Amino acid sequence: QQQVKQSPQSLIVQKGGISIINCAYENTAFDYFPWYQQFPGKGPALLIAIRPDVSEKKEGRFTISFNKSAKQFSLHIMDSQPGDSATYFCAASSGYAQGAQKLVFGQGTRLTINP
Amino acid sequence: GAVVSQHPSWVICKSGTSVKIECRSLDFQATTMFWYRQFPKQSLMLMATSNEGSKATYEQGVEKDKFLINHASLTLSTLTVTSAHPEDSSFYICSARDGLARATGELFFGEGSRLTVL
Repeated sequence: QQQVKQSPQSLIVQKGGISIINCAYENTAFDYFPWYQQFPGKGPALLIAIRPDVSEKKEGRFTISFNKSAKQFSLHIMDSQPGDSATYFCAASSGYAQGAQKLVFGQGTRLTINP
Repeated sequence: GAVVSQHPSWVICKSGTSVKIECRSLDFQATTMFWYRQFPKQSLMLMATSNEGSKATYEQGVEKDKFLINHASLTLSTLTVTSAHPEDSSFYICSARDGLARATGELFFGEGSRLTVL
Protein backbone atom coordinates (compact mmCIF):
# COMPACT_ATOMS: atom_id res chain seq x y z
CA GLN A 1 0.00 0.00 0.00
CA GLN A 2 2.88 2.33 0.70
CA GLN A 3 4.79 1.59 -2.50
CA VAL A 4 5.30 3.89 -5.40
CA LYS A 5 6.37 2.08 -8.55
CA GLN A 6 8.49 3.98 -11.05
CA SER A 7 9.47 3.15 -14.61
CA PRO A 8 11.61 2.94 -16.59
CA GLN A 9 14.69 2.22 -14.53
CA SER A 10 16.86 3.96 -17.12
CA LEU A 11 16.12 6.11 -20.12
CA ILE A 12 18.19 7.50 -22.97
CA VAL A 13 16.82 10.40 -24.97
CA GLN A 14 18.30 12.48 -27.73
CA LYS A 15 18.84 16.17 -27.15
CA GLY A 16 15.67 18.07 -27.93
CA GLY A 17 13.45 15.07 -27.40
CA ILE A 18 10.78 14.43 -24.78
CA SER A 19 11.65 12.41 -21.69
CA ILE A 20 8.76 10.62 -20.01
CA ILE A 21 8.92 8.90 -16.63
CA ASN A 22 5.95 7.15 -15.09
CA CYS A 23 4.86 6.35 -11.56
CA ALA A 24 1.97 4.41 -10.08
CA TYR A 25 0.71 4.21 -6.53
CA GLU A 26 -1.80 2.19 -4.53
CA ASN A 27 -2.50 4.25 -1.43
CA THR A 28 -5.53 6.43 -2.15
CA ALA A 29 -4.67 8.56 0.89
CA PHE A 30 -1.69 10.05 -0.93
CA ASP A 31 -2.38 13.71 -1.63
CA TYR A 32 0.97 15.18 -2.63
CA PHE A 33 3.12 14.00 -5.52
CA PRO A 34 6.53 15.62 -6.01
CA TRP A 35 9.30 14.86 -8.45
CA TYR A 36 12.92 15.17 -7.41
CA GLN A 37 16.10 15.49 -9.46
CA GLN A 38 19.33 14.12 -8.07
CA PHE A 39 22.85 14.52 -9.43
CA PRO A 40 25.60 12.09 -8.36
CA GLY A 41 26.84 12.73 -4.84
CA LYS A 42 24.17 15.35 -4.16
CA GLY A 43 20.91 15.42 -2.29
CA PRO A 44 17.64 15.43 -4.23
CA ALA A 45 16.14 18.75 -5.28
CA LEU A 46 12.45 19.38 -5.79
CA LEU A 47 11.62 19.79 -9.45
CA ILE A 48 7.86 20.09 -9.54
CA ALA A 49 4.92 18.80 -7.50
CA ILE A 50 1.20 18.29 -7.92
CA ARG A 51 -1.86 17.84 -5.75
CA PRO A 52 -4.66 15.47 -6.83
CA ASP A 53 -7.15 18.27 -7.48
CA VAL A 54 -5.54 19.06 -10.85
CA SER A 55 -4.68 16.80 -13.77
CA GLU A 56 -1.68 18.67 -15.06
CA LYS A 57 0.92 21.13 -13.88
CA LYS A 58 3.53 22.78 -16.03
CA GLU A 59 6.64 24.66 -15.00
CA GLY A 60 8.92 25.62 -17.84
CA ARG A 61 10.00 22.46 -19.67
CA PHE A 62 8.67 20.20 -16.94
CA THR A 63 5.10 18.92 -16.82
CA ILE A 64 3.37 16.54 -14.43
CA SER A 65 0.35 14.66 -15.72
CA PHE A 66 -1.86 13.16 -13.03
CA ASN A 67 -4.54 10.50 -13.48
CA LYS A 68 -6.38 10.07 -10.20
CA SER A 69 -8.64 7.24 -11.35
CA ALA A 70 -5.70 5.22 -12.65
CA LYS A 71 -3.52 6.20 -9.68
CA GLN A 72 -0.73 7.18 -12.01
CA PHE A 73 1.35 10.28 -12.59
CA SER A 74 4.14 11.07 -14.96
CA LEU A 75 6.89 13.58 -15.58
CA HIS A 76 7.45 14.98 -19.03
CA ILE A 77 10.62 16.88 -19.84
CA MET A 78 10.27 18.80 -23.08
CA ASP A 79 13.26 19.78 -25.23
CA SER A 80 15.52 17.58 -23.11
CA GLN A 81 19.05 18.89 -22.64
CA PRO A 82 22.32 17.18 -21.65
CA GLY A 83 22.17 19.12 -18.37
CA ASP A 84 18.97 17.23 -17.56
CA SER A 85 20.97 14.02 -17.28
CA ALA A 86 20.38 12.92 -13.69
CA THR A 87 18.38 10.46 -11.62
CA TYR A 88 14.73 11.36 -11.18
CA PHE A 89 12.57 10.17 -8.31
CA CYS A 90 8.83 10.39 -7.98
CA ALA A 91 7.41 10.44 -4.49
CA ALA A 92 4.12 10.57 -2.66
CA SER A 93 2.85 11.46 0.76
CA SER A 94 -0.40 11.86 2.64
CA GLY A 95 -1.65 14.37 5.16
CA TYR A 96 -0.63 17.41 3.13
CA ALA A 97 -3.08 19.73 4.87
CA GLN A 98 -1.65 18.80 8.26
CA GLY A 99 1.87 19.44 7.06
CA ALA A 100 2.87 15.79 7.16
CA GLN A 101 5.61 15.10 4.65
CA LYS A 102 6.64 11.51 5.16
CA LEU A 103 7.60 10.83 1.57
CA VAL A 104 7.59 7.43 -0.09
CA PHE A 105 9.99 7.40 -3.03
CA GLY A 106 9.87 5.52 -6.29
CA GLN A 107 12.83 3.43 -7.37
CA GLY A 108 14.36 6.16 -9.51
CA THR A 109 15.04 6.63 -13.22
CA ARG A 110 18.50 7.31 -14.53
CA LEU A 111 18.03 9.71 -17.43
CA THR A 112 20.74 10.27 -20.01
CA ILE A 113 20.38 12.94 -22.68
CA ASN A 114 22.66 12.36 -25.63
CA PRO A 115 24.02 15.47 -27.33
CA GLY B 1 14.69 28.35 -1.69
CA ALA B 2 15.40 27.35 1.84
CA VAL B 3 18.73 25.76 2.63
CA VAL B 4 19.45 22.61 4.56
CA SER B 5 23.09 22.01 5.38
CA GLN B 6 24.67 18.69 6.29
CA HIS B 7 28.02 18.14 7.88
CA PRO B 8 30.27 16.38 7.23
CA SER B 9 29.73 15.82 3.52
CA TRP B 10 31.86 12.71 3.70
CA VAL B 11 33.46 10.73 6.49
CA ILE B 12 35.62 7.64 6.70
CA CYS B 13 35.82 5.77 9.98
CA LYS B 14 37.06 2.52 11.40
CA SER B 15 34.70 -0.30 12.24
CA GLY B 16 33.37 -0.03 15.78
CA THR B 17 33.58 3.72 16.06
CA SER B 18 30.66 6.16 16.21
CA VAL B 19 29.98 8.90 13.71
CA LYS B 20 27.77 11.97 14.11
CA ILE B 21 26.13 13.69 11.16
CA GLU B 22 24.55 17.11 11.57
CA CYS B 23 21.60 18.53 9.68
CA ARG B 24 20.88 22.25 9.96
CA SER B 25 18.13 24.40 8.53
CA LEU B 26 19.88 27.66 7.76
CA ASP B 27 17.08 30.12 7.16
CA PHE B 28 13.96 28.55 8.61
CA GLN B 29 12.76 26.70 11.65
CA ALA B 30 12.32 23.01 11.12
CA THR B 31 9.94 21.40 13.59
CA THR B 32 10.27 18.14 11.69
CA MET B 33 13.28 16.62 9.99
CA PHE B 34 13.58 13.33 8.18
CA TRP B 35 16.60 11.08 7.83
CA TYR B 36 17.04 8.91 4.75
CA ARG B 37 19.62 6.36 3.71
CA GLN B 38 20.52 5.74 0.10
CA PHE B 39 22.66 2.88 -1.15
CA PRO B 40 24.43 3.21 -4.54
CA LYS B 41 22.02 3.33 -7.46
CA GLN B 42 19.04 2.82 -5.17
CA SER B 43 16.21 4.93 -3.92
CA LEU B 44 15.95 6.87 -0.69
CA MET B 45 14.71 4.86 2.24
CA LEU B 46 13.22 6.72 5.18
CA MET B 47 14.96 5.82 8.42
CA ALA B 48 13.26 8.05 10.95
CA THR B 49 11.26 11.18 11.58
CA SER B 50 12.85 13.64 13.97
CA ASN B 51 10.60 16.02 15.89
CA GLU B 52 11.99 18.94 17.81
CA GLY B 53 11.88 18.35 21.53
CA SER B 54 10.61 14.79 21.38
CA LYS B 55 11.79 11.30 20.55
CA ALA B 56 12.33 10.31 16.96
CA THR B 57 9.98 7.91 15.24
CA TYR B 58 11.82 5.09 13.52
CA GLU B 59 10.70 3.14 10.49
CA GLN B 60 10.25 -0.58 10.72
CA GLY B 61 13.54 -2.42 10.60
CA VAL B 62 15.70 0.54 11.63
CA GLU B 63 17.60 -0.03 14.87
CA LYS B 64 16.97 2.97 17.11
CA ASP B 65 19.87 2.07 19.40
CA LYS B 66 22.24 2.01 16.47
CA PHE B 67 21.01 5.16 14.74
CA LEU B 68 20.60 7.76 17.46
CA ILE B 69 18.67 10.86 16.48
CA ASN B 70 18.57 14.07 18.45
CA HIS B 71 16.54 17.14 17.48
CA ALA B 72 17.38 19.51 20.30
CA SER B 73 16.61 22.77 18.53
CA LEU B 74 14.44 24.07 15.71
CA THR B 75 17.42 24.27 13.39
CA LEU B 76 19.50 21.21 14.21
CA SER B 77 19.04 17.47 14.08
CA THR B 78 21.86 14.98 14.50
CA LEU B 79 22.19 11.35 13.45
CA THR B 80 24.78 9.28 15.28
CA VAL B 81 25.73 5.93 13.81
CA THR B 82 26.97 3.97 16.81
CA SER B 83 29.48 1.13 16.56
CA ALA B 84 29.57 1.52 12.80
CA HIS B 85 30.25 -1.49 10.60
CA PRO B 86 31.03 -1.73 6.86
CA GLU B 87 27.40 -2.54 6.08
CA ASP B 88 26.46 0.91 7.48
CA SER B 89 28.43 2.53 4.66
CA SER B 90 25.89 4.58 2.75
CA PHE B 91 24.75 8.03 1.72
CA TYR B 92 22.74 9.62 4.52
CA ILE B 93 20.43 12.48 3.61
CA CYS B 94 18.30 14.67 5.80
CA SER B 95 15.31 16.76 4.84
CA ALA B 96 13.41 19.43 6.68
CA ARG B 97 10.03 21.08 6.54
CA ASP B 98 9.53 24.73 7.30
CA GLY B 99 7.41 24.72 10.44
CA LEU B 100 5.85 28.07 9.58
CA ALA B 101 5.07 27.27 5.95
CA ARG B 102 2.71 24.38 6.35
CA ALA B 103 0.81 25.10 3.15
CA THR B 104 3.79 24.99 0.82
CA GLY B 105 4.36 21.31 1.34
CA GLU B 106 7.95 21.46 0.17
CA LEU B 107 10.61 19.41 1.85
CA PHE B 108 14.14 20.75 1.57
CA PHE B 109 16.94 18.22 1.31
CA GLY B 110 20.50 18.45 2.47
CA GLU B 111 23.45 17.64 0.22
CA GLY B 112 23.94 14.29 1.90
CA SER B 113 26.75 12.74 3.93
CA ARG B 114 28.76 9.86 2.50
CA LEU B 115 29.80 7.43 5.24
CA THR B 116 32.46 4.82 4.55
CA VAL B 117 33.24 2.35 7.32
CA LEU B 118 36.50 0.45 6.91
